Amino acid sequence: QKEVEQDPGPLSVPEGAIVSLNCTYSNSAFQYFMWYRQYSRKGPELLMYTYSSGNKEDGRFTAQVDKSSKYISLFIRDSQPSDSATYLCAMSAWSGGGADGLTFGKGTHLIIQP
Amino acid sequence: DTGVSQDPRHKITKRGQNVTFRCDPISEHNRLYWYRQTLGQGPEFLTYFQNEAQLEKSRLLSDRFSAERPKGSFSTLEIQRTEQGDSAMYLCASSLGHPGQGSFDFGPGTRLTVT
Repeated sequence: QKEVEQDPGPLSVPEGAIVSLNCTYSNSAFQYFMWYRQYSRKGPELLMYTYSSGNKEDGRFTAQVDKSSKYISLFIRDSQPSDSATYLCAMSAWSGGGADGLTFGKGTHLIIQP
Repeated sequence: DTGVSQDPRHKITKRGQNVTFRCDPISEHNRLYWYRQTLGQGPEFLTYFQNEAQLEKSRLLSDRFSAERPKGSFSTLEIQRTEQGDSAMYLCASSLGHPGQGSFDFGPGTRLTVT
């Protein structure tokens, strides 16, 4: 079992729909959770960052973390064709030492149909 | 400073040749990471520097790979005797403090094709 599981899709939804993306993980030490958006042949760009459990909202985006279930979600409201991209979840255990770089999911390819 | 930059953006090389990539991080970021991303996969950690010290290397980083950050600023990643399996996007990221602080910025990547 990989540390972070994410359905690669593709996920195709009509413009204006609410999109739900999610990841599950196995490492209970993860406590920092991020969502990145990656357009084709570009580097990932940070969308949302959450520490521990809870919700965080930024414009049309809402990130949710449920540490008890080891499950994180990203919701996109009023989806636009420009939201079409690959969405990567990423996590870090940061313990105060070592690299503690990010562990990524495979990414979900999202298509918003005009 | 507008972000992390990488050079070149694309590199096509023949099997067996050596290649070197450069990463310029955000100037105040003391941590620098190299990741590799293949098609349909998320980025995979390769190595990490804090200032000029290389503190961790993934087992993905074979002996043909070497990375440096000589003055704690820019970094280079060299691949010797390239193989077709090295074809991937090589991503550099930098951060101030630990990744969980939310300032973990990626560059645009260098896409390597080994023929």
